Parts: sequence; C-alpha cells; structure tokens
Amino acid sequence: AQKVTQAQTEISVVEKEDVTLDCVYETRDTTYYLFWYKQPPSGELVFLIRRNSFDEQNEISGRYSWNFQKSTSSFNFTITASQVVDSAVYFCALRSEKTSYDKVIFGPGTSLSVIP
Amino acid sequence: DTGVSQDPRHKITKRGQNVTFRCDPISEHNRLYWYRQTLGQGPEFLTYFQNEAQLEKSRLLSDRFSAERPKGSFSTLEIQRTEQGDSAMYLCASSSPTGNSPLHFGNGTRLTVT
Repeated sequence: AQKVTQAQTEISVVEKEDVTLDCVYETRDTTYYLFWYKQPPSGELVFLIRRNSFDEQNEISGRYSWNFQKSTSSFNFTITASQVVDSAVYFCALRSEKTSYDKVIFGPGTSLSVIP
Repeated sequence: DTGVSQDPRHKITKRGQNVTFRCDPISEHNRLYWYRQTLGQGPEFLTYFQNEAQLEKSRLLSDRFSAERPKGSFSTLEIQRTEQGDSAMYLCASSSPTGNSPLHFGNGTRLTVT
C-alpha cells in the first residue's frame, strides 16, 4: 500500500522566517517519484518541485529547497525567507510506476500562514 | 500550452440528478486523471486514462461514477443519481507518460448537491 503523511496540519510563521514542511511516505516500489504542490486560496494546484527515488541529491531552487532521505522515507520542503504570498496549502505527493499502473497519491496537506 | 481546462466551474444540482463534467487536457499529454477534493483534505484519486484506455479506477468510486475519454483527448466524468456526499471539488489533471512528469491541474469543477 502507498501512503503519504503530512503530520503538520497548520503552520504559522512570521514573514522572512524559514519554514520546513514535513512529508513521510510509504511505498514498496523501488522506483518512485515525489512531488510538492501548492494550492493558494484561488484553488488551483501548482507544481513546485519533484525528486526521483534513485537520486537523493538535495537541491535548492530560489527560496525553495528539499531534503530527500530514503532511509527515513522523508521528503521535506523548506521555504527560506517566507513571504505573505507563500500562504497556501502545500501537498506532498507520491507517484509509483509499474507496467500499466500509475497513480499519484497526495497527502492531507499542510496549511501555511505567513504573517506580515 | 493553454493548460488544463474544466467545464463548468461550478455546478449546483438537486439530489438524484445526473451531472457531467468535461476536462480538456494539455494537448500533448496522453495521461489524464480525475481527482476529488473535499474541504481540508488532499486530492483523492478517482481514475486515470492513458490515451483512451481507462487503466485504473479507485475502489472508493461507486458505480454511479463513470468516466470516458473517447478519442484520447478530452474526458467526461458523469455522476448519476447524485447524493449530498458527492459535493466536492472535482479536479482534472494531465501529464506526459514519463514517471517524473508532474501532474498539471485544471481549476476544478465545484459540485454542490442540495
């Protein structure tokens, strides 16, 4: 069975603080892909970052960075110098591929509020 | 790239009526997904297509739900005999077939069953 857990339901930070969103996943597949999506109040889900299971290199893209640790099945996402526009619900997602099977599973989301 | 479009944006219907939603994916994407999202929850997988073939359907999906993608382009999702519990945001997404390709979502159709 596949599962994505986001233990943090709501987080509030003051603008310019760094914030890390946690994600823990479960899968039996050896090849899988992890994603983070943002859903602002307008409602549309927006893709942010992705990581392949066979590449544990952590990266930074602008104010976003991510920490993928296969040993603990975690894929945490950090926003540095948070801004009010970062206020949204953030979803971690898992995609596994087998032959003709392909499904993306989303976590329950973490609601981030950035206070000016 | 015109993005994924969904129609209608909002639908209000009475319990027991049938409703149909349409999704137009990004033209070069051969995979199309339907998800349902209720308030405070993450998107819940319903079904997905590769071209015109429906490859998986969630076990949570009752027989009142049916989806089609007749020519591998646009897709429709029909709910028969709607119930109040069907009230939700119905999201469509598309992607290219490579594993690390992200899903691109439409704005969704918000269904309210009264």
